[in-house]
Amino acid sequence: NAGVMQNPRHLVRRRGQEARLRCSPMKGHSHVYWYRQLPEEGLKFMVYLQKENIIDESGMPKERFSAEFPKEGPSILRIQQVVRGDSAAYFCASSLGDNQPQHFGDGTRLSIL
Amino acid sequence: GENVEQHPSTLSVQEGDSAVIKCTYSDSASNYFPWYKQELGKRPQLIIDIRSNVGEKKDQRIAVTLNKTAKHFSLHITETQPEDSAVYFCAAIRGSQGNLIFGKGTKLSVKP
Repeated sequence: NAGVMQNPRHLVRRRGQEARLRCSPMKGHSHVYWYRQLPEEGLKFMVYLQKENIIDESGMPKERFSAEFPKEGPSILRIQQVVRGDSAAYFCASSLGDNQPQHFGDGTRLSIL
Repeated sequence: GENVEQHPSTLSVQEGDSAVIKCTYSDSASNYFPWYKQELGKRPQLIIDIRSNVGEKKDQRIAVTLNKTAKHFSLHITETQPEDSAVYFCAAIRGSQGNLIFGKGTKLSVKP
């Protein structure tokens, strides 16, 4: 009974490159959430998706960041033209539905050189 | 929008003592309040949650209380053990939107 799967666990990019983070929700879960965590800080909401729909992207910067959750395959968080300030741990969570417990993956630690 | 305040930011207790972490929230429409434990370098792990139609919930050494009127909720850990040492986050669901708003965390240290 696999939990939320994220890959890669660690990602190193140079400034200006693109970063792609993947998240496969728990089996049966149709709701996916992305959060960002800076060192020594809490988790900040970025985007909430259901299959083929972005429900709420109010926490995601309007430029350079995008997210999708296609009909088939994992959810993708994409960061274009990365900058040093994008360095953080990015966590994905999934749930069965609204107001249901959210279970987190192990995160992707993004480092920008 | 929803705002969640968490106190204290650090808490040190002796093994066997109790630990209490408190949170307040601002959005009266919030109706779901989970607590997560995060060990260094690991994922946040859901340890207990409570919905707004109950005032208290207990699971072995962990309990959560909710005061809807005052918009307070608290985590209580009894008979603490060294393995309870971690950062604990409270959260509140933002209205009926689905995403969680997190407190800034409490670093709990349990000394043997």
